[in-house]
Amino acid sequence: AQTVTQSQPEMSVQEAETVTLSCTYDTSESDYYLFWYKQPPSRQMILVIRQEAYKQQNATENRFSVNFQKAAKSFSLKISDSQLGDAAMYFCAYRSSFAQGGSEKLVFGKGTKLTVNP
Amino acid sequence: NAGVTQTPKFRVLKTGQSMTLLCAQDMNHEYMYWYRQDPGMGLRLIHYSVGEGTTAKGEVPDGYNVSRLKKQNFLLGLESAAPSQTSVYFCASSRPAGAEGYTFGSGTRLTVV
Repeated sequence: AQTVTQSQPEMSVQEAETVTLSCTYDTSESDYYLFWYKQPPSRQMILVIRQEAYKQQNATENRFSVNFQKAAKSFSLKISDSQLGDAAMYFCAYRSSFAQGGSEKLVFGKGTKLTVNP
Repeated sequence: NAGVTQTPKFRVLKTGQSMTLLCAQDMNHEYMYWYRQDPGMGLRLIHYSVGEGTTAKGEVPDGYNVSRLKKQNFLLGLESAAPSQTSVYFCASSRPAGAEGYTFGSGTRLTVV
C-alpha cells in the first residue's frame, strides 16, 4: 500500500519570503498523481497544485511550484512571496492513475501547519 | 456550482445518540468518500463508494455505517455515538482515478459529550 509522509508538522515563514514544504511517498507504481491541498482556518480543502508522474516538468501555479523527484519519491511544495493568506494546513496526497475498482483512493500525509509572520 | 454539500455543518450529540450526516454532489461523480480529520492524524478514510448501491470499508470503519441509494448522495450514520467519534468529518467525490483529485465538502464538526 502507498504511504505519504510529511516530516514537518509545523513551519513558519516571514511574509514575502519563500518556504518549502516536504513530502515523500512510497509506491511500487510507475504512473500516478500527486497533489497538494491547502486547508485554511475555514476548514475547506482547496487543491493547490497537481503533478502527473509521467511528466518530468515540475508543475507551477502562480506563486506555488513543486520539486518532483520521481526516483527519490519526493514531492516538495515551494511557496514564493508568502502572503498572510497562505497560512493554513497543507496536505500532500497520492493517487494511482489506474481505475482499480475503488482502490485508487487519495492517500494523504498528516499535514504541515504553515504560519506566515507579518 | 454547488459541488459537494454536507449537512449539518455543526452538531453536538450525547453519548449513545444516533445521527446521520448527509453528503450530496451534483457533478455526476461515480466515487464518494467519507473521511474524519483529527489533530495530528491527517485525514483517515472511513467508508467509500464506487457507485450507486455499493459501499466499502476504509481505514477506520468501526462505529459507522453508510449508504448510497442514489448516485448523488452518500450518507454516514453513527448508530450509538461515542466521545471518540468527536471529529471533523469530510465528504468528497471524484471520478475513477484521474488527475482531478477530489472535490471536498466543507466539513461537519461533530462533538460527542
